[in-house]
Amino acid sequence: DIQMTQSPSSLSASVGDRVTVTCRASQSISTNLNWYQQRPGRAPKLLIYATSTLESGIPSRFSGRGSGTDFSLTISSLQPEDFATYYCQQSYSSPVTFGQGTKVEIK
Amino acid sequence: EVQLVESGGGLVQSGRSLRLSCAASGFSFEDFAMHWVRQVPGKGLEWVSGISWEGSRMGYADSVRGRFTISRDNPSNSLYLQINNLRPEDMALYFCAKGLNDYTLRDYFDSWGQGTLVAVSS
Repeated sequence: DIQMTQSPSSLSASVGDRVTVTCRASQSISTNLNWYQQRPGRAPKLLIYATSTLESGIPSRFSGRGSGTDFSLTISSLQPEDFATYYCQQSYSSPVTFGQGTKVEIK
Repeated sequence: EVQLVESGGGLVQSGRSLRLSCAASGFSFEDFAMHWVRQVPGKGLEWVSGISWEGSRMGYADSVRGRFTISRDNPSNSLYLQINNLRPEDMALYFCAKGLNDYTLRDYFDSWGQGTLVAVSS
C-alpha cells in the first residue's frame, strides 16, 4: 500500500496568514492526489482533486500543486471557516490511502 | 442536491454482526462507484471498501477483508456494508462516500454522508 505522510501534524496560524500543508507519497503517484477539509463534527469535504483542480464551490484562496511524490495545499489568506483538519488522499493505486491529517488551529 | 444518509450503527458485542446501510438521493446512483470510509473518533480517515457502479468489482482494506462485505441495490439507491465478527478495532464512525468514477476503485470522493457510529463492546 502507498503511505501518505503529511506535515506538519498541526499548525497555529492567524486570520489572513498564508498556510501551506505538505503531503509526501511513499512512491510516485503522478498527479493522483486529492485534498479534503474536515471541520469538527462534520463529514470530510472535497477541496481539490488531481493535485490542483478546485472542486466546484471551493474558494480560490485554496490551491494545490505537486507531482510524483511531493504535494502541497496552500491557503493564501486564512479565513475563520478554514480552521479545520486537512487530509491528502492518493487515488493512484488501490487501496486508496489517506494522510494522517493536518490540524490548522487559531493562533 | 446529493444526499447520503447512513444508518445501522450501534453498540454491538465483539464477535457479532452488523449491517450498515446508506440511502442515496439527488444523483444517478447507478452511474457511480460507492465507498465506505471509517474514522476512529479523533483519528484519521481509512478507506474500508468500494464497489463499482453495477456491483461486479469490489475492494476491501486488508484490515477487513474476509469479514466485511459491500453490496448495493441500484433500484432502491442503497449501499450496504455487512460486518461480521466485529472486533474492538472496528469501532469507528462509518461514512458512505460517492466516487467520481464508475468502475475503478482508485477513486476520490465528492460527497459524504454524516456517518453512522459503530461501537464494539468486549
